[in-house]
Amino acid sequence: GENVEQHPSTLSVQEGDSAVIKCTYSDSASNYFPWYKQELGKRPQLIIDIRSNVGEKKDQRIAVTLNKTAKHFSLHITETQPEDSAVYFCAASIGQAGTALIFGKGTTLSVSS
Amino acid sequence: GAGVSQSPSNKVTEKGKDVELRCDPISGHTALYWYRQSLGQGLEFLIYFQGNSAPDKSGLPSDRFSAERTGGSVSTLTIQRTQQEDSAVYLCASSLVQRTVGTEAFFGQGTRLTVV
Repeated sequence: GENVEQHPSTLSVQEGDSAVIKCTYSDSASNYFPWYKQELGKRPQLIIDIRSNVGEKKDQRIAVTLNKTAKHFSLHITETQPEDSAVYFCAASIGQAGTALIFGKGTTLSVSS
Repeated sequence: GAGVSQSPSNKVTEKGKDVELRCDPISGHTALYWYRQSLGQGLEFLIYFQGNSAPDKSGLPSDRFSAERTGGSVSTLTIQRTQQEDSAVYLCASSLVQRTVGTEAFFGQGTRLTVV
């Protein structure tokens, strides 16, 4: 079936460094790519998303890039802070309905001060 | 309601019993998803509803799992003859689908199921 691969599974950075998380997807019909952040004991929440007609999107310290040809997209966090520590999930919309969201397995980001 | 609501928030059940988990999506959201998250693991896709129909049931782990949605609103996930490996947090999410374009999914707080 359709799937989303996410790397790395864990990422440790120093405060102020950049962090990059990469995902690939298999369904060429995917048109929506959200990123979710899940803090310990909490529900996943959307932090940024991108649609298939856009190559890049930025929101303050967070940016997402999409390469439709290669079927991969990435999350970039600049000037990381300890409060960025969490599990990050990428997702892609799949299926004939084009809207079912399949998630990657997550990246545990640890930012040390 | 203001957000996606799931009940119960915690459920402890004996192995072999059936359980029902409930999800109340955001009013007006036509798409509803169920995911399973085991301790420290990712979001395992179970099933997706568009209105009352489920175009994608590919993630249901076995025939002990079933889900339904009535009136385009509330959904229940039923696990029959529970096993210890069913222990996990079951997350429900809903989204306002516009034709075939994906949109943000909002998650409930989850139901933590423990099978003893």
